Amino acid sequence: EAGVAQSPRYKIIEKRQSVAFWCNPISGHATLYWYQQILGQGPKLLIQFQNNGVVDDSQLPKDRFSAERLKGVDSTLKIQPAKLEDSAVYLCASSLTDRGGQPQHFGDGTRLSIL
Amino acid sequence: GDSVTQMEGPVTLSEEAFLTINCTYTATGYPSLFWYVQYPGEGLQLLLKATKADDKGSNKGFEATYRKETTSFHLEKGSVQVSDSAVYFCALSSGSARQLTFGSGTQLTVLP
Repeated sequence: EAGVAQSPRYKIIEKRQSVAFWCNPISGHATLYWYQQILGQGPKLLIQFQNNGVVDDSQLPKDRFSAERLKGVDSTLKIQPAKLEDSAVYLCASSLTDRGGQPQHFGDGTRLSIL
Repeated sequence: GDSVTQMEGPVTLSEEAFLTINCTYTATGYPSLFWYVQYPGEGLQLLLKATKADDKGSNKGFEATYRKETTSFHLEKGSVQVSDSAVYFCALSSGSARQLTFGSGTQLTVLP
């Protein structure tokens, strides 16, 4: 089966600019996650979708970050305006359901560098 | 809240050496436990998992046993290879939304 697809792989922008990331989960996976992984740390959950509804966005900096999952398939994550501390790898993951024990499948991520 | 603590790296071993990466956790309820591996420039891949106490997860020669009494899920491999060089993350899933909480990762380098 095709894996989780993310684009772009790399993005370099200046602070205060805006940027968007795209994710296409594995076909049939109802649950989609966006994580932020700062260099040297484990991934931190930003937002979780179940189909096209938000399950948890408690750790999403809503003053600058937004995400949507229209039609319950693809998702986009946007940052506007970007800050230096947003430099990180943004990972998208999906799982069949959100039931316990269900593994999450990760994309290769988008590496964002803020100048 | 939930948390995962991994042994600090980096860890450097010679090929065919024995590997242990320690992982302990704090969680309410009965979490599921996972080990993920991340190769350079790639996303995380599930290595193994265990969903209840005393379960042993295994894959590609790696093993980890869910120990509720010590709240641990240590990763072991009897004979590492150069191709095992990667960052290893311990994680747990709990709560109503079953979100993953990750440890900080352990960088493993295996020398020929």
